[in-house]
Amino acid sequence: AQSVTQPDIHITVSEGASLELRCNYSYGATPYLFWYVQSPGQGLQLLLKYFSGDTLVQGIKGFEAEFKRSQSSFNLRKPSVHWSDAAEYFCAVESNFGNEKLTFGTGTRLTIIP
Amino acid sequence: EAGVAQSPRYKIIEKRQSVAFWCNPISGHATLYWYQQILGQGPKLLIQFQNNGVVDDSQLPKDRFSAERLKGVDSTLKIQPAKLEDSAVYLCASSPEIGEVAEQFFGPGTRLTVL
Repeated sequence: AQSVTQPDIHITVSEGASLELRCNYSYGATPYLFWYVQSPGQGLQLLLKYFSGDTLVQGIKGFEAEFKRSQSSFNLRKPSVHWSDAAEYFCAVESNFGNEKLTFGTGTRLTIIP
Repeated sequence: EAGVAQSPRYKIIEKRQSVAFWCNPISGHATLYWYQQILGQGPKLLIQFQNNGVVDDSQLPKDRFSAERLKGVDSTLKIQPAKLEDSAVYLCASSPEIGEVAEQFFGPGTRLTVL
């Protein structure tokens, strides 16, 4: 069965500093991978996704993620964070057998300090 | 385009009471999902519909949870009777179609508190 691990429950970053959120997945084949962001009281918004091809994926709001098959990782990065990036971030994996079942990690809460 | 709508946004009930949540997906989206998100956890899929048929309900506690999607559009999720551990945010999502990888669009969720 597919699974996702986000080892960092909570990360605090200074505004303007760089950010990397870790995500490791377990899946038998090449998965479809996603990063979602959830602001307080909001639903989940898709930041970016990886299906195939270039392993460095660009998303919205200046985020990017890199798929590394050898490490079973899909880490999210941003070179310079803004106070508005404070939110909960979820990594998710989807089976590529067409049933579109998303399995989410437990999330990483990002706090931005001035 | 309008997003996924959910109501109510908040609900507080006592244990053993019943409750229902409503979801209106994005127009034209064939696939609809209900997720349960317990505090501190990621969303967990409860049930997936393709039009008005159930594709996956393997994680739905069928002794107390039920869901329907009449006419393949709106959907309701019901809990009867509620337990304390049902306190969570219930998220509805929709996507254009099944059979290919498609983005799921999420509604704002309904926060349920069971006392």
